[in-house]
Amino acid sequence: AQRVTQPEKLLSVFKGAPVELKCNYSYSGSPELFWYVQYSRQRLQLLLRHISRESIKGFTADLNKGETSFHLKKPFAQEEDSAMYYCALSGGRSGGTYKYIFGTGTRLKVLA
Amino acid sequence: EAGVTQFPSHSVIEKGQTVTLRCDPISGHDNLYWYRRVMGKEIKFLLHFVKESKQDESGMPNNRFLAERTGGTYSTLKVQPAELEDSGVYFCASSQDPGGVNTGELFFGEGSRLTVL
Repeated sequence: AQRVTQPEKLLSVFKGAPVELKCNYSYSGSPELFWYVQYSRQRLQLLLRHISRESIKGFTADLNKGETSFHLKKPFAQEEDSAMYYCALSGGRSGGTYKYIFGTGTRLKVLA
Repeated sequence: EAGVTQFPSHSVIEKGQTVTLRCDPISGHDNLYWYRRVMGKEIKFLLHFVKESKQDESGMPNNRFLAERTGGTYSTLKVQPAELEDSGVYFCASSQDPGGVNTGELFFGEGSRLTVL
């Protein structure tokens, strides 16, 4: 079954501490993985995608095909990072469905 | 440039009534998606339009849901008759390329919150 799992509903860390938001997936082909973020009173927006291999706002995520994971990391959390984070996959490039499959989301709270 | 706009932002109706949600995608985006987030659960795919054609409607819960995109511009999602379990936030998203696979980005609206009493 195609599925994205985010085991933590809420993650609280102190400012300056490292952050890791976990994401595991189940997909039969070769999916593309994404992280979307929703800040308070803002719309859902793309944070980063694995194929770009870039760091956005200090966040990085590495696709581990062996462990089927795409964890989101940041070495030093900032208060403005507080938001809802969604991991998602798309099977478009592999010829599969173009629909995105989202996880349940993790709320990150960065404490002062 | 205007983003994806959705209307209404919040709708409260009674079980058995009808509600129509509207989505205006970003101009020039052929691909339009509807998603739904039920409280505490994942953002779930409902359907995907390419212009006015339904490319994939595998996520539509049942025949009480009807989505249209006449003329390939804005889209409507009608729920008739509404049930309690239809409550949630309905998101619309658009992209220039299918699934955002080239740009990696779906552009989302702010969502329409539906509460069925």
